[in-house]
Amino acid sequence: QQQVKQSPQSLIVQKGGISIINCAYENTAFDYFPWYQQFPGKGPALLIAIRPDVSEKKEGRFTISFNKSAKQFSLHIMDSQPGDSATYFCAASMSNTGFQKLVFGTGTRLLVSP
Amino acid sequence: KAGVTQTPRYLIKTRGQQVTLSCSPISGHRSVSWYQQTPGQGLQFLFEYFSETQRNKGNFPGRFSGRQFSNSRSEMNVSTLELGDSALYLCASSITGNPGANVLTFGAGSRLTVL
Repeated sequence: QQQVKQSPQSLIVQKGGISIINCAYENTAFDYFPWYQQFPGKGPALLIAIRPDVSEKKEGRFTISFNKSAKQFSLHIMDSQPGDSATYFCAASMSNTGFQKLVFGTGTRLLVSP
Repeated sequence: KAGVTQTPRYLIKTRGQQVTLSCSPISGHRSVSWYQQTPGQGLQFLFEYFSETQRNKGNFPGRFSGRQFSNSRSEMNVSTLELGDSALYLCASSITGNPGANVLTFGAGSRLTVL
């Protein structure tokens, strides 16, 4: 019940295309869903996050779509660029245990071809 | 503004030894969390410290421990190292008490290799 399942494991997208990464969770107590981006040799960096009281959040080219009834959320990267090539992690946490205690998905390695 | 600083960046140990990793959080951040990242298990929460107290703990054996000092700097220790402890250990800091600032800022990590 503590797992967050992420797919696909890897993704290749043409420059200018849309990258879509999906995550699913079981624990309905999760109430904070961030996405992190990690480049080789670096720690993960927060991209965008959402709470279950909204169905969509957009920041620049990055959008989170959230489906509370299906217990799924996804990251859309519009107009994907080679600089977006990185590993992306979805995560979830619960307010009653602190947002610092994140349960991470397994990661998606994104390659944007020029 | 300086980010989260972790030392050392790389280290090699042998089985049975112990290791101490250090983390300096962003100035003003009072919460420090530790994560283990491996290819097989991914990113897993180890523990979180706030005001020198462990506030949260993950599912790791007692060989993994940590502490936080009055200046918010934190250390984690792994005793009796096993091959499976080879991993990237990530430290993250955050401001606590501000509900709108749920941002964990990670350091670059300490890569531990156990031989």
